Amino acid sequence: AQSVTQLDSQVPVFEEAPVELRCNYSSSVSVYLFWYVQYPNQGLQLLLKYLSGSTLVKGINGFEAEFNKSQTSFHLRKPSVHISDTAEYFCAARLGGGNTPLVFGKGTRLSVIA
Amino acid sequence: GAVVSQHPSWVICKSGTSVKIECRSLDFQATTMFWYRQFPKQSLMLMATSNEGSKATYEQGVEKDKFLINHASLTLSTLTVTSAHPEDSSFYICSASTQEGYNEQFFGPGTRLTVL
Repeated sequence: AQSVTQLDSQVPVFEEAPVELRCNYSSSVSVYLFWYVQYPNQGLQLLLKYLSGSTLVKGINGFEAEFNKSQTSFHLRKPSVHISDTAEYFCAARLGGGNTPLVFGKGTRLSVIA
Repeated sequence: GAVVSQHPSWVICKSGTSVKIECRSLDFQATTMFWYRQFPKQSLMLMATSNEGSKATYEQGVEKDKFLINHASLTLSTLTVTSAHPEDSSFYICSASTQEGYNEQFFGPGTRLTVL
């Protein structure tokens, strides 16, 4: 079955430090990749997406991600985190065309420490 | 644009009662809507996919008689949890997909269901 793997369930990081949240997906002919953020008791907010073209994707709140086809990865990065970035982050993929549903990773809890 | 709403945002009910959750696409037509549930500190698990005017497709392990999904129009899908029990307590999130381009999914804010 198609899958998305987030290698870290929790990532603690000090404020203003850089962070990388890792995501790997199972290989597919066509793939669309997404990162979402979820704050407590709220829905999902799209951070960024990769559809095609440039492998470096910039999103909101200073986040960016790089699509690496050979490593089947789509890691999320931010050069300097803030306390307000503390949240749950989900990597998701649409592995196929049409209206196939998104497949989600298990999530990574980012905790920013003052 | 591309806003999806859910109603109610939270609901508390007694065991044995039924609860209906609405998912609406406010400014676009959604031929396909997806229903997910999320347990505390866990990821989203797809429950079912619904296409307007046809029966929903349920994921393996999801009871279709317990989780009734209706997608009667291009802007509204409903999830009814019938005879709810405490183990049905969860966060339910819907998403709606556009017809255009790569069929991006837009997520609703979620509904917190607590069954006492």
